[in-house]
Amino acid sequence: ELKVEQNPLFLSMQEGKNYTIYCNYSTTSDRLYWYRQDPGKSLESLFVLLSNGAVKQEGRLMASLDTKARLSTLHITAAVHDLSATYFCAVENYGGSQGNLIFGKGTKLSVKP
Amino acid sequence: EAGVAQSPRYKIIEKRQSVAFWCNPISGHATLYWYQQILGQGPKLLIQFQNNGVVDDSQLPKDRFSAERLKGVDSTLKIQPAKLEDSAVYLCASSGGTGNYQTQYFGPGTRLLVL
Repeated sequence: ELKVEQNPLFLSMQEGKNYTIYCNYSTTSDRLYWYRQDPGKSLESLFVLLSNGAVKQEGRLMASLDTKARLSTLHITAAVHDLSATYFCAVENYGGSQGNLIFGKGTKLSVKP
Repeated sequence: EAGVAQSPRYKIIEKRQSVAFWCNPISGHATLYWYQQILGQGPKLLIQFQNNGVVDDSQLPKDRFSAERLKGVDSTLKIQPAKLEDSAVYLCASSGGTGNYQTQYFGPGTRLLVL
C-alpha cells in the first residue's frame, strides 16, 4: 500500500528565509505532483515531476524528485507572506488506475514579516 | 477556460439524512474524480470515472455513498444516510489530454457538515 508522508506538517518562517518541505513515499512511482491550497479554497496545481532528477521552478518555489530515494522536496527561497498556504504532495499509485493519487497530509506554511 | 464547477458550496444536514453534490468538469475532460478531504488531511480519492464508466471505486463506502456520471459529463455524488464522520469537504476534479500524465484540476469543493 502506497503511503505518502510530508514533513514538517507545520512550518512558521520569517520573510526572507529559505526552507525545504520533504515528501517521502513508500513504493515505486515516478509521477509526483505538488499542490497549493489556500484556506477555504480548492487545490491549485504547482508542479508535476515525471522522472528521476526532475527539477521544476516557479518564482520562489523549486521542486525536485529523487525516485531512487522515493523523495521529493519543495524548496522555498526568500519567503514572502503570499506564500502562506498549505502545500500537498501527491504520488501516483501504480497499484491503482492512472490518475489514482495518494496525497500527503499537507504542510501548513505561515510566513511572518 | 471555465474551471470545474461544483454545487452547492455548503450544506448542513442532520445525521441519517440524504445529500447530493453536483460537479461539472472542464469541457472535454474525460476523467472525473471525487475526493473527500477531512479537516487537516489530504484529499482521499472516493471514485474515478473515465467518460461514464467507473475506473476505481475501491475507497467508496458503497453502503452509503453512490456516484454516477451520466453521458460522460456532469456527475453527482450522493450520501444516504449521512453519518457524523462524513463531515468533510467533497472535491471534484477532472483531467484530460493524451499525454503520459494528466494534471487534475480541482473545483472549489462542497463543505458538508453533518449534525
